[in-house]
Amino acid sequence: EAQVTQNPRYLITVTGKKLTVTCSQNMNHEYMSWYRQDPGLGLRQIYYSMNVEVTDKGDVPEGYKVSRKEKRNFPLILESPSPNQTSLYFCASSPSVNTEAFFGQGTRLTVV
Amino acid sequence: QKEVEQNSGPLSVPEGAIASLNCTYSDRGSQSFFWYRQYSGKSPELIMSIYSNGDKEDGRFTAQLNKASQYVSLLIRDSQPSDSATYLCAVKFMDTGRRALTFGSGTRLQVQP
Repeated sequence: EAQVTQNPRYLITVTGKKLTVTCSQNMNHEYMSWYRQDPGLGLRQIYYSMNVEVTDKGDVPEGYKVSRKEKRNFPLILESPSPNQTSLYFCASSPSVNTEAFFGQGTRLTVV
Repeated sequence: QKEVEQNSGPLSVPEGAIASLNCTYSDRGSQSFFWYRQYSGKSPELIMSIYSNGDKEDGRFTAQLNKASQYVSLLIRDSQPSDSATYLCAVKFMDTGRRALTFGSGTRLQVQP
């Protein structure tokens, strides 16, 4: 089954404790991205990747890091989480930058 | 700043009626447009994509695109309570290079039994 898989689905952590949210897709898509979704603000792109070893900032990259060492995986790293990073996070993949995005199940992160 | 605007709703329609959802966007040169459905706490799910002016139908859903007026709409015929969700409009802006879709904040649809 074609899918984008994120883990964990739910995470509660404390300020400053490094964490990684994993994302994997099995559709051989070149383009992957991370979004956060907040009430009233919609989906905002954090980082994206055109292909292996090619990543770039989206609209709200501060406080986040990503890597793309393999085509299928695109982890999101929060080196020092803060409460304003409490949000619902989605990983997405697309055949190309101009086509539809397919979303993972989401990760609800709470930073206390 | 590239923008996608949607009325937040809620839009309330009776079961069996037509629901009409609208979206406007700021870049006249945009070429790719998408509608997603999102149930509360779940991930967005692609419903329709449309690239050319006019209507595109898929089952109970019809997407309408008017590039001159910079709006795209989604019609849901024979609305069902299971259609109650938030509908997100997404646009690929031409001059954002490698950045992906820009999403509106969504319209919440309530279908009353």
